[in-house]
Amino acid sequence: AQKITQTQPGMFVQEKEAVTLDCTYDTSDPSYGLFWYKQPSSGEMIFLIYQGSYDQQNATEGRYSLNFQKARKSANLVISASQLGDSAMYFCAMREFPSGYSTLTFGKGTMLLVSP
Amino acid sequence: DGGITQSPKYLFRKEGQNVTLSCEQNLNHDAMYWYRQDPGQGLRLIYYSQIVNDFQKGDIAEGYSVSREKKESFPLTVTSAQKNPTAFYLCASSIPGSNYGYTFGSGTRLTVV
Repeated sequence: AQKITQTQPGMFVQEKEAVTLDCTYDTSDPSYGLFWYKQPSSGEMIFLIYQGSYDQQNATEGRYSLNFQKARKSANLVISASQLGDSAMYFCAMREFPSGYSTLTFGKGTMLLVSP
Repeated sequence: DGGITQSPKYLFRKEGQNVTLSCEQNLNHDAMYWYRQDPGQGLRLIYYSQIVNDFQKGDIAEGYSVSREKKESFPLTVTSAQKNPTAFYLCASSIPGSNYGYTFGSGTRLTVV
């Protein structure tokens, strides 16, 4: 079973609109972390936002916010006021601690295209 | 500036040859990781290392080998036993438990010719 599921292979949005990228996760560990990364066409991975499993508030970083619904095991990324430079692949990832070491497991990603 | 350097950016390999991908970091991070990325597959963990001279297999370690002789360096060897090595390889490092996740290199694109 997949640990991270991103159901939207591609999303299309107009500039200045808000967009939500979906992510659901599966874990039995009470302590975990959720991350979102952006990958432009150049290939580098850019960290966007983090949410810990015990955090009471939804994480926010500038135009990025994470809609964390723990009971539903959902961690959707919301980008407000989309910009042309937001066009990229977006990956949701979860940190767990197998054998005491932490690793990140990634979803398959969502391609976001922002049009003028 | 601190960061992770992967080299080369592009690499071509003949079938049956071993090839080594370089990964160097000057962030003083203890942990380092290798991921493979294929189209539509996201990132899959190959190997990771939390301390020098110690490393663990990830989800797809078969056909790969690593070493961690120095804190700064975590080279990945793609051996001839890897049946489908053509992919984009990403190296990353982290402070274990950090809320900032991983810092990634810019990647190496390996093509078998």
